[in-house]
Amino acid sequence: AQSVAQPEDQVNVAEGNPLTVKCTYSVSGNPYLFWYVQYPNRGLQFLLKYITGDNLVKGSYGFEAEFNKSQTSFHLKKPSALVSDSALYFCAVRDLMDSSYKLIFGSGTRLLVRP
Amino acid sequence: DSGVTQTPKHLITATGQRVTLRCSPRSGDLSVYWYQQSLDQGLQFLIQYYNGEERAKGNILERFSAQQFPDLHSELNLSSLELGDSALYFCASSEIRADTEAFFGQGTRLTVV
Repeated sequence: AQSVAQPEDQVNVAEGNPLTVKCTYSVSGNPYLFWYVQYPNRGLQFLLKYITGDNLVKGSYGFEAEFNKSQTSFHLKKPSALVSDSALYFCAVRDLMDSSYKLIFGSGTRLLVRP
Repeated sequence: DSGVTQTPKHLITATGQRVTLRCSPRSGDLSVYWYQQSLDQGLQFLIQYYNGEERAKGNILERFSAQQFPDLHSELNLSSLELGDSALYFCASSEIRADTEAFFGQGTRLTVV
Protein backbone atom coordinates (compact mmCIF):
# COMPACT_ATOMS: atom_id res chain seq x y z
CA ALA A 1 0.00 0.00 0.00
CA GLN A 2 1.11 3.52 -0.69
CA SER A 3 2.02 5.70 2.24
CA VAL A 4 3.80 8.90 3.09
CA ALA A 5 5.39 9.80 6.39
CA GLN A 6 6.21 13.27 7.63
CA PRO A 7 7.96 12.54 10.91
CA GLU A 8 7.86 16.08 12.29
CA ASP A 9 4.59 17.70 13.34
CA GLN A 10 6.32 21.06 13.53
CA VAL A 11 9.58 22.59 12.38
CA ASN A 12 10.85 25.81 13.92
CA VAL A 13 13.50 27.91 12.22
CA ALA A 14 14.78 31.47 12.45
CA GLU A 15 14.32 33.79 9.51
CA GLY A 16 17.32 33.70 7.22
CA ASN A 17 18.34 30.20 8.25
CA PRO A 18 18.00 27.16 5.97
CA LEU A 19 15.00 24.93 6.47
CA THR A 20 14.26 21.27 5.83
CA VAL A 21 10.91 19.54 6.03
CA LYS A 22 11.22 15.77 5.90
CA CYS A 23 9.22 13.25 3.91
CA THR A 24 9.60 9.53 3.32
CA TYR A 25 7.40 7.37 1.13
CA SER A 26 6.45 3.79 0.40
CA VAL A 27 4.99 2.65 -2.91
CA SER A 28 4.89 -0.60 -4.83
CA GLY A 29 6.02 0.92 -8.11
CA ASN A 30 7.86 4.03 -9.18
CA PRO A 31 6.79 7.15 -7.31
CA TYR A 32 5.85 10.56 -8.47
CA LEU A 33 6.30 12.94 -5.55
CA PHE A 34 4.76 16.30 -4.76
CA TRP A 35 4.92 19.05 -2.18
CA TYR A 36 1.98 21.31 -1.38
CA VAL A 37 1.62 24.25 1.01
CA GLN A 38 -1.51 25.29 2.88
CA TYR A 39 -1.91 28.76 4.32
CA PRO A 40 -4.64 29.40 6.93
CA ASN A 41 -8.16 29.20 5.52
CA ARG A 42 -6.84 28.39 2.07
CA GLY A 43 -6.67 25.36 -0.16
CA LEU A 44 -3.51 23.48 -0.96
CA GLN A 45 -1.10 25.15 -3.35
CA PHE A 46 1.31 23.14 -5.47
CA LEU A 47 5.00 23.83 -4.78
CA LEU A 48 6.98 21.30 -6.79
CA LYS A 49 7.13 17.75 -8.06
CA TYR A 50 9.57 14.99 -8.87
CA ILE A 51 8.74 12.95 -11.93
CA THR A 52 12.04 11.77 -13.32
CA GLY A 53 15.51 13.03 -14.07
CA ASP A 54 17.52 15.30 -11.80
CA ASN A 55 17.14 14.37 -8.15
CA LEU A 56 17.08 18.02 -7.12
CA VAL A 57 13.92 19.76 -8.22
CA LYS A 58 13.20 23.46 -7.91
CA GLY A 59 9.78 24.90 -7.27
CA SER A 60 7.84 27.98 -6.30
CA TYR A 61 8.89 30.63 -3.76
CA GLY A 62 12.53 29.48 -3.70
CA PHE A 63 11.76 25.97 -2.45
CA GLU A 64 13.55 22.89 -3.69
CA ALA A 65 13.38 19.20 -2.87
CA GLU A 66 15.82 16.33 -3.09
CA PHE A 67 14.69 12.88 -4.22
CA ASN A 68 16.67 10.01 -2.73
CA LYS A 69 15.60 6.63 -4.05
CA SER A 70 17.77 4.54 -1.74
CA GLN A 71 16.40 6.30 1.33
CA THR A 72 12.89 6.63 -0.15
CA SER A 73 12.90 10.28 0.84
CA PHE A 74 11.84 13.56 -0.70
CA HIS A 75 12.82 16.33 1.70
CA LEU A 76 11.73 19.92 1.10
CA LYS A 77 14.40 22.58 1.51
CA LYS A 78 14.95 26.30 1.29
CA PRO A 79 18.33 28.02 1.72
CA SER A 80 16.94 31.05 3.58
CA ALA A 81 13.59 30.98 5.37
CA LEU A 82 11.15 33.87 5.41
CA VAL A 83 8.51 34.60 8.05
CA SER A 84 5.96 34.39 5.25
CA ASP A 85 6.94 30.73 4.68
CA SER A 86 5.13 29.85 7.92
CA ALA A 87 2.39 27.45 6.86
CA LEU A 88 1.38 23.79 6.77
CA TYR A 89 3.34 21.65 4.31
CA PHE A 90 2.18 18.37 2.82
CA CYS A 91 4.17 15.75 0.98
CA ALA A 92 2.23 13.50 -1.41
CA VAL A 93 2.97 10.45 -3.51
CA ARG A 94 1.38 9.05 -6.61
CA ASP A 95 1.96 5.38 -7.28
CA LEU A 96 2.24 4.66 -10.99
CA MET A 97 0.87 1.16 -10.36
CA ASP A 98 -2.42 2.79 -9.30
CA SER A 99 -4.40 3.75 -12.39
CA SER A 100 -6.51 6.25 -10.48
CA TYR A 101 -3.43 8.50 -10.11
CA LYS A 102 -4.77 9.67 -6.76
CA LEU A 103 -2.42 11.50 -4.42
CA ILE A 104 -1.73 10.04 -1.00
CA PHE A 105 -0.75 12.70 1.51
CA GLY A 106 1.40 12.73 4.59
CA SER A 107 0.04 14.08 7.85
CA GLY A 108 1.54 17.50 7.29
CA THR A 109 4.31 19.51 8.94
CA ARG A 110 3.71 22.94 10.38
CA LEU A 111 6.60 25.28 9.61
CA LEU A 112 7.08 28.21 11.95
CA VAL A 113 9.63 30.81 10.93
CA ARG A 114 10.40 33.27 13.70
CA PRO A 115 11.66 36.78 12.98
CA ASP B 1 -6.49 31.10 -8.13
CA SER B 2 -6.37 27.34 -8.82
CA GLY B 3 -9.39 27.37 -11.12
CA VAL B 4 -11.24 24.89 -8.90
CA THR B 5 -14.37 26.31 -7.27
CA GLN B 6 -16.04 24.87 -4.22
CA THR B 7 -19.33 25.96 -2.69
CA PRO B 8 -20.32 26.72 -0.06
CA LYS B 9 -17.23 27.90 1.81
CA HIS B 10 -18.82 27.29 5.18
CA LEU B 11 -21.67 25.08 6.29
CA ILE B 12 -23.14 24.64 9.75
CA THR B 13 -25.73 21.95 10.23
CA ALA B 14 -27.20 19.72 12.90
CA THR B 15 -26.54 16.07 13.57
CA GLY B 16 -28.66 13.74 11.50
CA GLN B 17 -28.98 16.19 8.62
CA ARG B 18 -27.85 15.82 4.99
CA VAL B 19 -25.71 18.28 3.04
CA THR B 20 -24.35 18.59 -0.48
CA LEU B 21 -20.97 20.04 -1.31
CA ARG B 22 -20.30 21.22 -4.83
CA CYS B 23 -17.13 21.35 -6.89
CA SER B 24 -16.43 22.81 -10.32
CA PRO B 25 -13.10 21.54 -11.68
CA ARG B 26 -10.53 23.44 -13.67
CA SER B 27 -11.50 23.91 -17.28
CA GLY B 28 -10.52 20.80 -19.24
CA ASP B 29 -9.86 18.57 -16.22
CA LEU B 30 -11.87 15.36 -16.38
CA SER B 31 -10.72 13.93 -13.06
CA VAL B 32 -12.13 15.09 -9.71
CA TYR B 33 -10.91 13.97 -6.30
CA TRP B 34 -12.52 14.54 -2.90
CA TYR B 35 -10.48 14.72 0.28
CA GLN B 36 -11.39 15.19 3.94
CA GLN B 37 -9.08 17.15 6.24
CA SER B 38 -9.70 16.59 9.92
CA LEU B 39 -7.67 18.18 12.69
CA ASP B 40 -5.97 14.99 13.74
CA GLN B 41 -6.03 12.92 10.55
CA GLY B 42 -4.46 14.99 7.84
CA LEU B 43 -5.80 14.69 4.31
CA GLN B 44 -7.79 11.53 3.67
CA PHE B 45 -8.71 10.49 0.14
CA LEU B 46 -12.43 9.84 -0.17
CA ILE B 47 -13.33 9.21 -3.79
CA GLN B 48 -12.39 9.98 -7.39
CA TYR B 49 -14.47 10.48 -10.50
CA TYR B 50 -13.23 10.55 -14.05
CA ASN B 51 -15.45 11.82 -16.86
CA GLY B 52 -18.61 10.91 -14.96
CA GLU B 53 -17.54 7.48 -13.73
CA GLU B 54 -16.30 6.48 -10.30
CA ARG B 55 -12.63 5.57 -10.63
CA ALA B 56 -11.33 4.98 -7.12
CA LYS B 57 -12.66 4.81 -3.60
CA GLY B 58 -10.82 5.52 -0.40
CA ASN B 59 -11.95 5.60 3.18
CA ILE B 60 -15.38 6.93 2.38
CA LEU B 61 -18.21 6.14 4.77
CA GLU B 62 -21.38 4.50 3.47
CA ARG B 63 -23.27 7.62 4.59
CA PHE B 64 -21.28 9.59 2.04
CA SER B 65 -21.71 9.47 -1.72
CA ALA B 66 -20.59 11.46 -4.72
CA GLN B 67 -21.30 11.90 -8.38
CA GLN B 68 -19.93 13.74 -11.37
CA PHE B 69 -22.31 15.30 -13.84
CA PRO B 70 -22.03 15.64 -17.65
CA ASP B 71 -20.72 19.21 -17.27
CA LEU B 72 -17.97 17.65 -15.07
CA HIS B 73 -18.94 19.37 -11.86
CA SER B 74 -19.09 17.05 -8.88
CA GLU B 75 -21.14 16.85 -5.72
CA LEU B 76 -20.33 15.15 -2.45
CA ASN B 77 -23.38 14.15 -0.44
CA LEU B 78 -23.04 13.63 3.30
CA SER B 79 -26.01 12.19 5.17
CA SER B 80 -26.96 11.25 8.74
CA LEU B 81 -24.28 13.67 9.85
CA GLU B 82 -22.40 13.11 13.07
CA LEU B 83 -20.25 15.47 15.12
CA GLY B 84 -17.17 13.62 13.89
CA ASP B 85 -17.94 14.57 10.30
CA SER B 86 -16.94 18.14 11.06
CA ALA B 87 -13.96 18.79 8.83
CA LEU B 88 -12.63 20.65 5.83
CA TYR B 89 -13.64 18.97 2.58
CA PHE B 90 -11.46 19.60 -0.44
CA CYS B 91 -12.05 18.97 -4.07
CA ALA B 92 -9.15 18.69 -6.48
CA SER B 93 -9.03 18.29 -10.22
CA SER B 94 -6.38 17.19 -12.67
CA GLU B 95 -5.75 15.82 -16.09
CA ILE B 96 -5.65 12.03 -16.08
CA ARG B 97 -1.90 11.96 -16.42
CA ALA B 98 0.49 10.70 -13.81
CA ASP B 99 2.98 13.54 -14.20
CA THR B 100 0.55 16.39 -13.59
CA GLU B 101 -0.23 17.97 -10.27
CA ALA B 102 -3.74 18.21 -8.86
CA PHE B 103 -5.27 21.63 -8.30
CA PHE B 104 -7.24 22.18 -5.12
CA GLY B 105 -10.25 24.30 -4.33
CA GLN B 106 -10.38 26.38 -1.17
CA GLY B 107 -12.49 23.80 0.57
CA THR B 108 -15.81 23.66 2.37
CA ARG B 109 -15.64 23.85 6.13
CA LEU B 110 -18.41 21.70 7.55
CA THR B 111 -19.41 22.11 11.18
CA VAL B 112 -21.90 19.64 12.61
CA VAL B 113 -23.52 20.80 15.85
